[in-house]
Amino acid sequence: GQQLNQSPQSMFIQEGEDVSMNCTSSSIFNTWLWYKQDPGEGPVLLIALYKAGELTSNGRLTAQFGITRKDSFLNISASIPSDVGIYFCAGRGDAGNMLTFGGGTRLMVKP
Amino acid sequence: DGGITQSPKYLFRKEGQNVTLSCEQNLNHDAMYWYRQDPGQGLRLIYYSQIVNDFQKGDIAEGYSVSREKKESFPLTVTSAQKNPTAFYLCASSIYLQSGAFFGQGTRLTVV
Repeated sequence: GQQLNQSPQSMFIQEGEDVSMNCTSSSIFNTWLWYKQDPGEGPVLLIALYKAGELTSNGRLTAQFGITRKDSFLNISASIPSDVGIYFCAGRGDAGNMLTFGGGTRLMVKP
Repeated sequence: DGGITQSPKYLFRKEGQNVTLSCEQNLNHDAMYWYRQDPGQGLRLIYYSQIVNDFQKGDIAEGYSVSREKKESFPLTVTSAQKNPTAFYLCASSIYLQSGAFFGQGTRLTVV
């Protein structure tokens, strides 16, 4: 099956710092999604990407669909304490219709 | 407001009992999904449904059953055949199968 590797697994940063995380796939994807999950809650969709090379922003968040179609990146600028949570990437490939989820990046922000 | 509602938020079950988790959406979405999340893990797909009266097994369907009698509802039954049922269960829906999924708040099931 399709494999999604998300890194880093966790990050502990100072408030105000920028954050970068990424996902890589063993196969080509045609959709990339980024979610944030707060403890005990369901994931919330942050950004959706549908075209290779696409760069999309949502406030302080920016995500890119890699031109190889095998990776995606999420950047958070000027982090704040409420950015704390687990960020998941998800992708959908040509071979099937189901989303494959990465293992998540746990972000911790020190005030 | 439109959204996905899962109930209950917390559920306790005795070993050997079946239990049904509710998922309702008023987004008029065709596709619905059930995922399981274990501590520190990603999401694994249990079942999904593209349209009413149709559903397909996901990666970990054993010990689970679903029904899709109405577009708005996609209940999940955790049967006694599921060996490790304690987990956080997430329901999601999307306009169609290929679009981005929106999640409910989740149900935490604990077997006691």
